[in-house]
Amino acid sequence: AQSVAQPEDQVNVAEGNPLTVKCTYSVSGNPYLFWYVQYPNRGLQFLLKYITGDNLVKGSYGFEAEFNKSQTSFHLKKPSALVSDSALYFCAVRYDKIIFGKGTRLHILP
Amino acid sequence: NAGVTQTPKFQVLKTGQSMTLQCAQDMNHEYMSWYRQDPGMGLRLIHYSVGAGITDQGEVPNGYNVSRSTTEDFPLRLLSAAPSQTSVYFCASTFLSSGLTHEQYFGPGTRLTVT
Repeated sequence: AQSVAQPEDQVNVAEGNPLTVKCTYSVSGNPYLFWYVQYPNRGLQFLLKYITGDNLVKGSYGFEAEFNKSQTSFHLKKPSALVSDSALYFCAVRYDKIIFGKGTRLHILP
Repeated sequence: NAGVTQTPKFQVLKTGQSMTLQCAQDMNHEYMSWYRQDPGMGLRLIHYSVGAGITDQGEVPNGYNVSRSTTEDFPLRLLSAAPSQTSVYFCASTFLSSGLTHEQYFGPGTRLTVT
């Protein structure tokens, strides 16, 4: 069975500081991994994906994610947070179907 | 391209009523899916389809039916609405070409309230 976990319900970061949003997964084969963002009262927007290749993936709005096969993790990162990054972030994994984590609310403090 | 469209945007049902949430995409995507979003529960997969005539259950399929008679359409049917089905429903689609998964495109959502 496949699963994905986001261990933090909320992450608070001061503007200008680096941010990390954690994601771990469990699948019985090679996973396809994704990050999405949801702004208030809006749908989901794609940020980045890992299919194969380099473990460090770069995506939209300056975000990047690091795939770590040994730790079965795919943490989302950004070197310098902006207030406008405040939103709900979802990690997703696909093996036979695409399932999502519970989401992490990111608060960037001015 | 209109992308992924969903109708209606809002719906209020009484317990026991049935209804169909419509979803359509014009991108010729093979994979389509339905999710419900509830506070603290994230997005949970209800049903999904990898092509016309093929559907499968997701994480929370009870109380819902789907069909995929065409590539474009993937309606979600609530058989007998219950208050526990109050939620925001999202439809999504993506390519499955050459065995690779591309990112999903999401519809705007349907906010359903069951009283």
